[in-house]
Amino acid sequence: KAGVTQTPRYLIKTRGQQVTLSCSPISGHRSVSWYQQTPGQGLQFLFEYFSETQRNKGNFPGRFSGRQFSNSRSEMNVSTLELGDSALYLCASSPPDSEAFFGQGTRLTVV
Amino acid sequence: GESVGLHLPTLSVQEGDNSIINCAYSNSASDYFIWYKQESGKGPQFIIDIRSNMDKRQGQRVTVLLNKTVKHLSLQIAATQPGDSAVYFCAEILRSSMDSNYQLIWGAGTKLIIKP
Repeated sequence: KAGVTQTPRYLIKTRGQQVTLSCSPISGHRSVSWYQQTPGQGLQFLFEYFSETQRNKGNFPGRFSGRQFSNSRSEMNVSTLELGDSALYLCASSPPDSEAFFGQGTRLTVV
Repeated sequence: GESVGLHLPTLSVQEGDNSIINCAYSNSASDYFIWYKQESGKGPQFIIDIRSNMDKRQGQRVTVLLNKTVKHLSLQIAATQPGDSAVYFCAEILRSSMDSNYQLIWGAGTKLIIKP
């Protein structure tokens, strides 16, 4: 069974630009969560999608958004990028009420 | 608010010794806890989990202990090896009291350093 796949692995963007990250969950998993991880920090929860609906949301500004498609694939978008948005963005998928399986992450650098 | 936190941000252990990583949680209604290991350049990987109706669970070289009285969770790694070097996260599943929704609440992480 293929794991969680995130694309791209690495990305460099300029301040003010916007970016879209993609996540393909494990087949059969309907829940997809996104996290931001910065150096020295723990995982900061961004949002969770289940059956194309945002089910939970963390404390991030509206510049951070996401969506989920009918095949459970998910995208997250960050608009008007700031230097502080540089981070590892992790996607995790899970079956109901079970541990999450993480992708390798997308390393975003904003310059 | 509700939170899950770690006591020590960095832990240095001699190779071959046992490691104990601690975690405190504040939501007494949480009934499921998970430990993850994150190696450099990789996403977190599941290590072991425990439900609130248990106080101990053992895996291969790892043991998780749950003390609901003081809301404390620990991960014990026996005979620590160089490959155990990583950041370890604890997480709890927080269930909504109104519907079936749930959320993973993460601790800040503890970096485990193995000394040769």
